Amino acid sequence: AQTVTQSQPEMSVQEAETVTLSCTYDTSESDYYLFWYKQPPSRQMILVIRQEAYKQQNATENRFSVNFQKAAKSFSLKISDSQLGDAAMYFCAYRGSTSGTYKYIFGTGTRLKVLA
Amino acid sequence: DADVTQTPRNRITKTGKRIMLECSQTKGHDRMYWYRQDPGLGLRLIYYSFDVKDINKGEISDGYSVSRQAQAKFSLSLESAIPNQTALYFCATSDWGQGASDTQYFGPGTRLTVL
Repeated sequence: AQTVTQSQPEMSVQEAETVTLSCTYDTSESDYYLFWYKQPPSRQMILVIRQEAYKQQNATENRFSVNFQKAAKSFSLKISDSQLGDAAMYFCAYRGSTSGTYKYIFGTGTRLKVLA
Repeated sequence: DADVTQTPRNRITKTGKRIMLECSQTKGHDRMYWYRQDPGLGLRLIYYSFDVKDINKGEISDGYSVSRQAQAKFSLSLESAIPNQTALYFCATSDWGQGASDTQYFGPGTRLTVL
């Protein structure tokens, strides 16, 4: 069965600095999707970024980028120029591509604090 | 207007009561999901539906039931609520097929407290 691990329950970053959140996963599939979601205090789950495993190029969305290491099964999120509004819980999620694995599997989350 | 809505947003109920959480979407997606979120556990899948006639159990379906009334509506019921069902509940939708990515979009959540 697939698993997703976020080993950092909490991280802190100074405003305007860069921070990297870690995510590792376990799967026997070769094709799949990975996601980062943000949950601010409003509790809304917001998609931050998506990566298709067949794409070698790392996904980027403005100040957010990922470091996707397929062989190492690692999918970290880098936030550049951190802003106060980035403070939130961040969840990593995996979605398989073969029958029976279409469901999302979420990690337990990393709480990011941004210090002024 | 929000694409995925949930009602109620907050609910306090008593042990043994039946309660229904409702989800509606205007995104036109076929796939809908119910999750619960507990501190330190992330999101866990309760039920999912890939179309109106397709209902599937997730990893924690015991004590819950669902109804897919239409493509746009997916309800979650607790037949006899118990305190350990106190949690934040999310509905999500996704689109799959040619050109679609199955990215999930979430509703605002329902905070349920069972006393």
